[in-house]
Order: sequence, then C-alpha cells, then structure tokens
Amino acid sequence: DAGVIQSPRHEVTEMGQEVTLRCKPISGHDYLFWYRQTMMRGLELLIYFNNNVPIDDSGMPEDRFSAKMPNASFSTLKIQPSEPRDSAVYFCASSTRTFYNEQFFGPGTRLTVL
Amino acid sequence: AQSVAQPEDQVNVAEGNPLTVKCTYSVSGNPYLFWYVQYPNRGLQFLLKYITGDNLVKGSYGFEAEFNKSQTSFHLKKPSALVSDSALYFCAVRDVRYSTLTFGKGTMLLVSP
Repeated sequence: DAGVIQSPRHEVTEMGQEVTLRCKPISGHDYLFWYRQTMMRGLELLIYFNNNVPIDDSGMPEDRFSAKMPNASFSTLKIQPSEPRDSAVYFCASSTRTFYNEQFFGPGTRLTVL
Repeated sequence: AQSVAQPEDQVNVAEGNPLTVKCTYSVSGNPYLFWYVQYPNRGLQFLLKYITGDNLVKGSYGFEAEFNKSQTSFHLKKPSALVSDSALYFCAVRDVRYSTLTFGKGTMLLVSP
C-alpha cells in the first residue's frame, strides 16, 4: 500500500489567493483527519470525516477554511482567501476506526502564504 | 476535556544510554494512549499504544512505554538509544468518550554519538 498520499508537498502562494490541498487516504480506511502543525500551536485537529461525512469541524479556524470528501478515496482542504498566518504544515491522516486504531499520516503539505 | 502534557521541549542523551521521554495526560474516563515519532519533513509514524491490559507496552524500533494510572503518565522509554532515534516525539490521548486524539506539543530527542 502506498500509504496516505498528499499533494502538493509544498505550496507557496500570495495572500488572498485560494489554496487547495489534496489527500488520498489508505484504501479501506473509513476515517479521515485533517491536521495543522505550527511551531506555536503544535498539532491541531481541523476536521474529520467518517464514511465521507464530516463529523466534527470545530477545529476549523475560520470560514475561510472548508473541507470536502466527495468519495472514499479523496478529500480536499481549501483556504479562500489565504492569509500569512495560515502558513503551516497540513497533514492528512486516515484510520479504520477512531476508537483505538492508530492513525496513519501522510507526508504533509508545507504551505507558505506571502 | 482531554489533554496531554510533554514537559520537556528537548531531551538529550548519548548513544547507548537509556532514554525516557515524559508524557502526562488528563481525561475524565479511561484513556487510550499513543506515541508517534516524526522525522524531519515527514508525517507522524505510529510507535505504540496502550488500550488495556499490561501496563508495559512494547512497540516499534525497540521502544516501550509504561502506563501509570495513579500518576496519569505514559512515559516512552528505550534501553539503549541510537543516533537514528533523533526525532520529534508526540504523545497523544483519547478519552473513551470522545472520537479524536489530542496530541502533546512534542519533545525533540537528540541522541549524540
């Protein structure tokens, strides 16, 4: 298995632009998580899905952030408009169950907003 | 609410010496506890977990962790450190009543030759 796949690996954009991050979970995993990692705040859960349905988006910082999971093998995290404070590493993770199965993380997307 | 504390930003140890990375947690119910490792420019990798049973849990790469309910701790240990163990280590907790993990801020482990 290729593991969790994220694209792009690096993204540099200017303030005000739309950014779309992509994630392909491990086949057969029915939970998908989006995290953001910064030096100041550490690793934060933004949103998670179960069977393609958003379950908890309380970690999404603002309305500028949105996430979708149109099918079991694809999810997107969109920021519109982007701001410099959105600069961070964004991780996608998947698992078979949230309860006590470990989450498998993708390599992350490093976003820089100028 | 659930929370995790990793009191040390960095741990330094010489190769061949034992290492300990500390983690304490707070939950209202029973905890599920996890350790992850992150190498530079990589995602987090699962090391080990405690769900129930033996308090001493063994995981990948020779790591182990001890669950101590009275001290609400789950410290990560390894008898003999390797330079290649140098990385960022995260402790995470899940209260059985919730569906998500809460991660600590991470501890940088530096193993010197």
